[in-house]
Amino acid sequence: DTGVSQDPRHKITKRGQNVTFRCDPISEHNRLYWYRQTLGQGPEFLTYFQNEAQLEKSRLLSDRFSAERPKGSFSTLEIQRTEQGDSAMYLCASSSQQYYEQYFGPGTRLTVT
Amino acid sequence: AQSVTQLDSQVPVFEEAPVELRCNYSSSVSVYLFWYVQYPNQGLQLLLKYLSGSTLVESINGFEAEFNKSQTSFHLRKPSVHISDTAEYFCAVSGRDDKIIFGKGTRLHILP
Repeated sequence: DTGVSQDPRHKITKRGQNVTFRCDPISEHNRLYWYRQTLGQGPEFLTYFQNEAQLEKSRLLSDRFSAERPKGSFSTLEIQRTEQGDSAMYLCASSSQQYYEQYFGPGTRLTVT
Repeated sequence: AQSVTQLDSQVPVFEEAPVELRCNYSSSVSVYLFWYVQYPNQGLQLLLKYLSGSTLVESINGFEAEFNKSQTSFHLRKPSVHISDTAEYFCAVSGRDDKIIFGKGTRLHILP
């Protein structure tokens, strides 16, 4: 399977704990995006990388959130001091510079108790 | 800023009947338009896209959408739906090299 993969698929954590999610994009894609989707809503943009450079961050991405893409391949999204409002599906997508089309991974569902 | 409005949160339709899912967008720049589909317990899949050229775009499973610049719309249509079309459909807009802005989604219910 050469699609976008995300790990873990599900994460349950207690409020105040830190969590980290991983996204592996399609190998030839240099752009990587993170989105968040809550129940009954469409996905909302969080941040975007081109290679290893983080080019844009949404105001939704508070200082408790940090994302990295250290070698321009996989990316991690860390949430520190989780809150119940962080419960959501976290989606990763990737695209190439030549063909503008974002491919989405299956998502990581976070539940904060 | 760009935004997307999906006018119906849920659309019930009988099997083999036609359906239209409405989408309007706003943008101050040239846009790319998309419809994504999310089947139950599955991830988002691109259904069809408008980047340039012909304003009528089609998917492989019988859906089509028409870009109407004057009405800032990108409605999704299918002449005859099947039970397997049950899903949530998201209209989305972006500029080139940019993030995607999604609508809130329309849940399509196929009635037997």
